[in-house]
Amino acid sequence: AQTVTQSQPEMSVQEAETVTLSCTYDTSENNYYLFWYKQPPSRQMILVIRQEAYKQQNATENRFSVNFQKAAKSFSLKISDSQLGDTAMYFCAFIPRGGSNYKLTFGKGTLLTVNP
Amino acid sequence: GAVVSQHPSRVICKSGTSVKIECRSLDFQATTMFWYRQFPKQSLMLMATSNEGSKATYEQGVEKDKFLINHASLTLSTLTVTSAHPEDSSFYICSARDPDYHGTDTQYFGPGTRLTVL
Repeated sequence: AQTVTQSQPEMSVQEAETVTLSCTYDTSENNYYLFWYKQPPSRQMILVIRQEAYKQQNATENRFSVNFQKAAKSFSLKISDSQLGDTAMYFCAFIPRGGSNYKLTFGKGTLLTVNP
Repeated sequence: GAVVSQHPSRVICKSGTSVKIECRSLDFQATTMFWYRQFPKQSLMLMATSNEGSKATYEQGVEKDKFLINHASLTLSTLTVTSAHPEDSSFYICSARDPDYHGTDTQYFGPGTRLTVL
């Protein structure tokens, strides 16, 4: 079974600064996908970024980038130039590639507050 | 692209009544949809996997007779909470798997439904 651990229940950052959210996972799978989802106060889950485990290059989406360390089973999210709208709960998630049940395994989340 | 709608966004009902929640994939066909329950300040808890044209697969501890799931088409799954009780009050979220997005098994989420049972 897979597990996803987010060790920071809460974090805060000043507007325009950079913040990194941590995520580690445990799996025996070799091929898988990792995701960061954002859940703002509206509670709509929004896909922030995804990473294919077989790609060595770290994924980036505008101000969001990841540091994917496969050997260490680490998948951190860096948010640059933080904005007030980045205030949200952030969930790290894992899914094996080619599995038959397509279930996501979520971490417990990190509540990020961006302060003006 | 990859938009998932959910209706209603909020519902209040009396104890003992049934409530139906709809989840639709608007711009893609979803052979697999998922239903989650989320308690305040917690992560998402998977309730069941809904497969088009077949019976849903429920997670351990989820009462399939209380939470009826129907996935009648490639764009619609419904969750019916039968004989609802106050302990069923929660935030319910659906997601749909987009199988064609580079094969990445990405799930896209609906906006959620807040159910309050009086």
